[in-house]
Amino acid sequence: AQKITQTQPGMFVQEKEAVTLDCTYDTSDQSYGLFWYKQPSSGEMIFLIYQGSYDEQNATEGRYSLNFQKARKSANLVISASQLGDSAMYFCAMRGGSYIPTFGRGTSLIVHP
Amino acid sequence: EAQVTQNPRYLITVTGKKLTVTCSQNMNHEYMSWYRQDPGLGLRQIYYSMNVEVTDKGDVPEGYKVSRKEKRNFPLILESPSPNQTSLYFCASSHKLSGRGDEQFFGPGTRLTVL
Repeated sequence: AQKITQTQPGMFVQEKEAVTLDCTYDTSDQSYGLFWYKQPSSGEMIFLIYQGSYDEQNATEGRYSLNFQKARKSANLVISASQLGDSAMYFCAMRGGSYIPTFGRGTSLIVHP
Repeated sequence: EAQVTQNPRYLITVTGKKLTVTCSQNMNHEYMSWYRQDPGLGLRQIYYSMNVEVTDKGDVPEGYKVSRKEKRNFPLILESPSPNQTSLYFCASSHKLSGRGDEQFFGPGTRLTVL
Protein backbone atom coordinates (compact mmCIF):
# COMPACT_ATOMS: atom_id res chain seq x y z
CA ALA A 1 0.00 0.00 0.00
CA GLN A 2 1.09 3.54 -0.71
CA LYS A 3 1.14 6.27 1.87
CA ILE A 4 1.87 9.98 1.73
CA THR A 5 2.57 11.97 4.87
CA GLN A 6 2.54 15.75 5.07
CA THR A 7 3.38 16.64 8.64
CA GLN A 8 2.90 20.41 8.41
CA PRO A 9 -0.79 21.35 8.60
CA GLY A 10 0.10 25.02 8.18
CA MET A 11 3.11 27.09 7.22
CA PHE A 12 3.76 30.81 7.25
CA VAL A 13 6.39 32.59 5.19
CA GLN A 14 7.35 36.18 4.50
CA GLU A 15 6.96 37.41 0.96
CA LYS A 16 10.15 36.94 -1.12
CA GLU A 17 11.51 34.28 1.21
CA ALA A 18 11.91 30.61 0.34
CA VAL A 19 9.79 27.92 1.98
CA THR A 20 10.00 24.13 2.10
CA LEU A 21 6.90 21.96 2.35
CA ASP A 22 7.59 18.47 3.61
CA CYS A 23 6.40 15.22 2.09
CA THR A 24 7.41 11.68 2.94
CA TYR A 25 6.10 8.63 1.20
CA ASP A 26 6.00 4.91 1.60
CA THR A 27 5.70 2.36 -1.18
CA SER A 28 6.99 -1.04 -2.14
CA ASP A 29 6.96 -0.16 -5.84
CA GLN A 30 10.29 0.37 -7.57
CA SER A 31 8.83 2.65 -10.22
CA TYR A 32 6.62 5.52 -9.13
CA GLY A 33 5.94 9.16 -9.72
CA LEU A 34 5.69 11.97 -7.20
CA PHE A 35 3.60 15.08 -7.74
CA TRP A 36 2.80 18.34 -6.10
CA TYR A 37 -0.48 20.17 -6.64
CA LYS A 38 -1.63 23.59 -5.51
CA GLN A 39 -5.19 24.34 -4.46
CA PRO A 40 -5.93 28.06 -4.05
CA SER A 41 -8.96 29.26 -2.14
CA SER A 42 -10.94 29.23 -5.39
CA GLY A 43 -10.80 25.43 -5.20
CA GLU A 44 -9.18 24.25 -8.42
CA MET A 45 -6.28 21.80 -8.36
CA ILE A 46 -3.19 22.95 -10.23
CA PHE A 47 -0.31 20.66 -11.13
CA LEU A 48 3.06 22.09 -10.10
CA ILE A 49 5.87 19.58 -10.50
CA TYR A 50 6.69 15.92 -11.14
CA GLN A 51 9.55 13.68 -10.05
CA GLY A 52 10.06 10.16 -11.32
CA SER A 53 11.58 7.57 -9.04
CA TYR A 54 14.40 6.92 -11.50
CA ASP A 55 15.14 10.57 -12.20
CA GLU A 56 18.67 11.33 -11.11
CA GLN A 57 18.20 15.06 -10.90
CA ASN A 58 15.75 16.99 -8.80
CA ALA A 59 12.85 18.40 -10.78
CA THR A 60 12.52 22.14 -11.20
CA GLU A 61 9.71 24.24 -12.68
CA GLY A 62 10.30 27.96 -12.42
CA ARG A 63 10.20 28.92 -8.74
CA TYR A 64 9.30 25.37 -7.73
CA SER A 65 11.82 22.64 -7.10
CA LEU A 66 11.46 19.21 -5.66
CA ASN A 67 14.08 18.05 -3.17
CA PHE A 68 13.99 14.31 -3.84
CA GLN A 69 15.81 12.08 -1.39
CA LYS A 70 15.01 8.55 -2.45
CA ALA A 71 16.76 6.75 0.40
CA ARG A 72 14.85 8.82 2.93
CA LYS A 73 11.64 8.55 0.88
CA SER A 74 11.10 12.26 0.95
CA ALA A 75 9.94 14.63 -1.78
CA ASN A 76 9.89 18.11 -0.33
CA LEU A 77 8.62 21.05 -2.36
CA VAL A 78 10.73 24.19 -2.28
CA ILE A 79 9.18 27.47 -3.35
CA SER A 80 11.74 30.20 -3.87
CA ALA A 81 10.94 33.90 -3.58
CA SER A 82 7.42 33.41 -2.22
CA GLN A 83 4.65 35.60 -3.60
CA LEU A 84 1.30 36.52 -2.10
CA GLY A 85 -0.37 34.42 -4.79
CA ASP A 86 1.40 31.34 -3.44
CA SER A 87 -0.99 31.29 -0.47
CA ALA A 88 -2.89 28.04 -0.94
CA MET A 89 -3.18 24.41 0.08
CA TYR A 90 -0.42 22.20 -1.29
CA PHE A 91 -0.83 18.47 -1.81
CA CYS A 92 1.85 15.89 -2.32
CA ALA A 93 0.80 12.79 -4.25
CA MET A 94 2.29 9.65 -5.70
CA ARG A 95 1.29 7.05 -8.25
CA GLY A 96 2.92 3.66 -8.47
CA GLY A 97 2.14 0.35 -10.05
CA SER A 98 -1.48 0.24 -8.92
CA TYR A 99 -2.33 3.39 -10.93
CA ILE A 100 -4.40 4.64 -8.03
CA PRO A 101 -2.84 7.90 -6.87
CA THR A 102 -2.44 8.56 -3.18
CA PHE A 103 -2.66 12.11 -1.90
CA GLY A 104 -1.42 13.58 1.35
CA ARG A 105 -3.70 15.61 3.61
CA GLY A 106 -2.15 18.85 2.48
CA THR A 107 -0.26 21.81 3.90
CA SER A 108 -1.79 25.25 4.11
CA LEU A 109 0.71 27.94 3.14
CA ILE A 110 0.15 31.58 4.02
CA VAL A 111 2.47 34.19 2.57
CA HIS A 112 2.69 37.41 4.57
CA PRO A 113 3.48 40.74 2.90
CA GLU B 1 -8.25 25.61 -24.54
CA ALA B 2 -7.32 22.28 -22.98
CA GLN B 3 -9.61 21.64 -20.07
CA VAL B 4 -11.70 19.34 -17.96
CA THR B 5 -15.25 20.50 -17.38
CA GLN B 6 -17.70 19.37 -14.73
CA ASN B 7 -21.36 20.09 -14.28
CA PRO B 8 -23.01 21.15 -12.14
CA ARG B 9 -20.55 23.15 -10.07
CA TYR B 10 -22.87 23.25 -7.08
CA LEU B 11 -25.70 20.89 -6.20
CA ILE B 12 -27.97 20.58 -3.21
CA THR B 13 -30.17 17.51 -3.19
CA VAL B 14 -32.07 15.24 -0.83
CA THR B 15 -31.34 11.74 0.36
CA GLY B 16 -32.24 9.08 -2.18
CA LYS B 17 -32.69 11.28 -5.23
CA LYS B 18 -30.52 9.94 -8.04
CA LEU B 19 -28.06 12.39 -9.55
CA THR B 20 -25.34 12.51 -12.18
CA VAL B 21 -22.30 14.74 -12.29
CA THR B 22 -20.90 15.05 -15.77
CA CYS B 23 -17.23 15.27 -16.67
CA SER B 24 -15.72 15.94 -20.06
CA GLN B 25 -12.15 16.47 -21.28
CA ASN B 26 -10.97 17.76 -24.65
CA MET B 27 -7.36 16.54 -24.49
CA ASN B 28 -7.94 13.04 -25.85
CA HIS B 29 -6.71 11.59 -22.56
CA GLU B 30 -7.17 7.89 -21.94
CA TYR B 31 -7.08 7.96 -18.17
CA MET B 32 -9.89 9.61 -16.23
CA SER B 33 -10.81 9.48 -12.59
CA TRP B 34 -13.10 10.82 -9.89
CA TYR B 35 -12.05 12.01 -6.47
CA ARG B 36 -13.77 13.30 -3.42
CA GLN B 37 -12.15 15.82 -1.11
CA ASP B 38 -13.13 16.04 2.51
CA PRO B 39 -11.60 18.34 5.15
CA GLY B 40 -8.46 16.87 6.67
CA LEU B 41 -8.50 13.82 4.39
CA GLY B 42 -6.98 15.08 1.18
CA LEU B 43 -8.25 13.60 -2.08
CA ARG B 44 -9.45 10.04 -2.30
CA GLN B 45 -10.06 8.29 -5.58
CA ILE B 46 -13.56 6.93 -6.17
CA TYR B 47 -13.28 5.30 -9.59
CA TYR B 48 -10.95 5.46 -12.53
CA SER B 49 -11.01 4.49 -16.17
CA MET B 50 -8.07 3.53 -18.35
CA ASN B 51 -10.03 3.68 -21.58
CA VAL B 52 -13.49 3.39 -23.10
CA GLU B 53 -15.52 0.67 -21.39
CA VAL B 54 -12.69 0.04 -18.89
CA THR B 55 -13.41 1.21 -15.35
CA ASP B 56 -12.20 0.12 -11.94
CA LYS B 57 -12.69 0.93 -8.30
CA GLY B 58 -10.52 3.37 -6.45
CA ASP B 59 -10.20 3.66 -2.71
CA VAL B 60 -13.78 4.73 -1.87
CA PRO B 61 -16.20 3.37 -4.52
CA GLU B 62 -19.17 2.50 -2.30
CA GLY B 63 -22.33 4.35 -3.27
CA TYR B 64 -21.03 5.49 -6.65
CA LYS B 65 -21.21 4.29 -10.24
CA VAL B 66 -19.39 5.43 -13.35
CA SER B 67 -19.48 4.72 -17.05
CA ARG B 68 -17.10 5.39 -19.92
CA LYS B 69 -18.95 5.07 -23.19
CA GLU B 70 -16.92 7.74 -24.94
CA LYS B 71 -13.30 8.69 -24.46
CA ARG B 72 -14.04 12.28 -23.53
CA ASN B 73 -16.84 11.71 -20.99
CA PHE B 74 -16.78 10.08 -17.59
CA PRO B 75 -19.98 10.74 -15.59
CA LEU B 76 -20.29 10.01 -11.89
CA ILE B 77 -23.63 8.59 -10.78
CA LEU B 78 -25.05 8.54 -7.28
CA GLU B 79 -28.03 6.19 -7.43
CA SER B 80 -29.25 6.91 -3.89
CA PRO B 81 -27.25 9.75 -2.34
CA SER B 82 -26.81 9.90 1.41
CA PRO B 83 -25.61 12.74 3.65
CA ASN B 84 -22.18 11.12 4.05
CA GLN B 85 -21.63 11.76 0.33
CA THR B 86 -21.68 15.49 0.94
CA SER B 87 -18.28 16.50 -0.37
CA LEU B 88 -16.26 18.32 -3.01
CA TYR B 89 -15.87 16.16 -6.10
CA PHE B 90 -13.16 16.43 -8.73
CA CYS B 91 -12.88 14.81 -12.10
CA ALA B 92 -9.38 14.45 -13.54
CA SER B 93 -7.71 13.15 -16.66
CA SER B 94 -4.19 12.35 -17.73
CA HIS B 95 -2.41 11.37 -20.90
CA LYS B 96 -0.45 8.51 -19.45
CA LEU B 97 -0.65 6.12 -16.55
CA SER B 98 2.94 6.38 -15.47
CA GLY B 99 6.12 8.21 -16.09
CA ARG B 100 6.75 11.80 -17.05
CA GLY B 101 3.65 13.39 -18.43
CA ASP B 102 1.15 11.51 -16.33
CA GLU B 103 0.20 14.49 -14.22
CA GLN B 104 -3.52 14.85 -13.87
CA PHE B 105 -5.57 17.76 -15.10
CA PHE B 106 -8.45 18.51 -12.77
CA GLY B 107 -11.88 19.89 -13.39
CA PRO B 108 -13.10 22.87 -11.36
CA GLY B 109 -14.89 20.72 -8.79
CA THR B 110 -18.51 20.03 -7.89
CA ARG B 111 -19.66 20.88 -4.40
CA LEU B 112 -22.42 18.44 -3.48
CA THR B 113 -24.65 18.72 -0.43
CA VAL B 114 -27.02 15.88 0.40
CA LEU B 115 -29.71 16.79 2.93
